[in-house]
Amino acid sequence: GEDVEQSLFLSVREGDSSVINCTYTDSSSTYLYWYKQEPGAGLQLLTYIFSNMDMKQDQRLTVLLNKKDKHLSLRIADTQTGDSAIYFCAESLFGSGNTGKLIFGQGTTLQVKP
Amino acid sequence: NAGVTQTPKFQVLKTGQSMTLQCAQDMNHNSMYWYRQDPGMGLRLIYYSASEGTTDKGEVPNGYNVSRLNKREFSLRLESAAPSQTSVYFCASRAGDSQYPNYGYTFGSGTRLTVV
Repeated sequence: GEDVEQSLFLSVREGDSSVINCTYTDSSSTYLYWYKQEPGAGLQLLTYIFSNMDMKQDQRLTVLLNKKDKHLSLRIADTQTGDSAIYFCAESLFGSGNTGKLIFGQGTTLQVKP
Repeated sequence: NAGVTQTPKFQVLKTGQSMTLQCAQDMNHNSMYWYRQDPGMGLRLIYYSASEGTTDKGEVPNGYNVSRLNKREFSLRLESAAPSQTSVYFCASRAGDSQYPNYGYTFGSGTRLTVV
């Protein structure tokens, strides 16, 4: 079945790079997403990657996908205090019969120290 | 502003009470979803509606019912609230269908429910 796993907590210094990791189990064609949730708020889509890609870069964000190991990472360059939030990895199946439901990891709380 | 609107934002219920969480989207999306968020467990799917007129169970449907009233609205009902249903509830909608990329998800801002 589908399962997504993340570590629960990461602490970094302002200006450093942050790397948040995620593993998933489904081997079907899939989209993988990173969402950000600030305290008391809903979920904001940061970026996504399709399973036939290895890397995607968007300004300070870099997503790396290792399909062999089913491992996804989100790197945030020059981390700022405003990046402090919970980051969720999520997976969604693609193709015939797909209902589009997202399967979420537990969320990684990123703490950025000044 | 276009998006997903959830009401109420906060609610306190007594055990055994019933209530309906409302969700509406104005983006003409086909699919709608209800998730609950609990600390350390991420978001878990309660029910979803792939299109108007259809609903299906997700990962944690027990104690809930849903209604896809029309294309815009998807409500979640707790018939007899229990303390275990204390959570933050998120509604989401999605553009496209099963054959196309799923990146069109939009989430509401959540309903914080406490059952005492």
